[in-house]
Amino acid sequence: KNEVEQSPQNLTAQEGEFITINCSYSVGISALHWLQQHPGGGIVSLFMLSSGKKKHGRLIATINIQEKHSSLHITASHPRDSAVYICAVLHNYGQNFVFGPGTRLSVLP
Amino acid sequence: DADVTQTPRNRITKTGKRIMLECSQTKGHDRMYWYRQDPGLGLRLIYYSFDVKDINKGEISDGYSVSRQAQAKFSLSLESAIPNQTALYFCATGSGSLNQPQHFGDGTRLSIL
Repeated sequence: KNEVEQSPQNLTAQEGEFITINCSYSVGISALHWLQQHPGGGIVSLFMLSSGKKKHGRLIATINIQEKHSSLHITASHPRDSAVYICAVLHNYGQNFVFGPGTRLSVLP
Repeated sequence: DADVTQTPRNRITKTGKRIMLECSQTKGHDRMYWYRQDPGLGLRLIYYSFDVKDINKGEISDGYSVSRQAQAKFSLSLESAIPNQTALYFCATGSGSLNQPQHFGDGTRLSIL
């Protein structure tokens, strides 16, 4: 069983739809990182969370520490949002992030 | 210019060859990392360094070695490449406390025939 799981594995949406990507983990963490990997391969940081909720533009990330679960929401999705979204967790007392397998999102025009 | 630069971006080579992937950063970060990415799997940590004199093995260090030549440079070597080391390799940097975001290079696509 992977320490970090993401669902769905693949997601296809129509432009304008509200999208939710989920991340669940099995042990206590001190931080959770959402990243976006572009079709060309580059990886950029979206959010770092340790509690609550963060918003940047059309992206919203939430975390529930007790339930060991985080969600990434995209409002009014656009084809340029098509990418792989990766969740990574930093365990309590850990030194390095553990990465989920990613969710591949395709937004169709 | 990119803050984290990896060279080469693509490399095709043969089994048994020695290969070096290079990473340089202009962010002034102390922490540097090498990861590999395989289809369907999350990024896996190969080696990491918290400063120039500090080198640590990650989850999958067998078959790899690293050198931290300066704060800004962290290279990854495959001493004798094998086909199952075909993957996408990423260098990343981090600053300050561990719960700060990492910054990634654009990746090196390595194919070993």
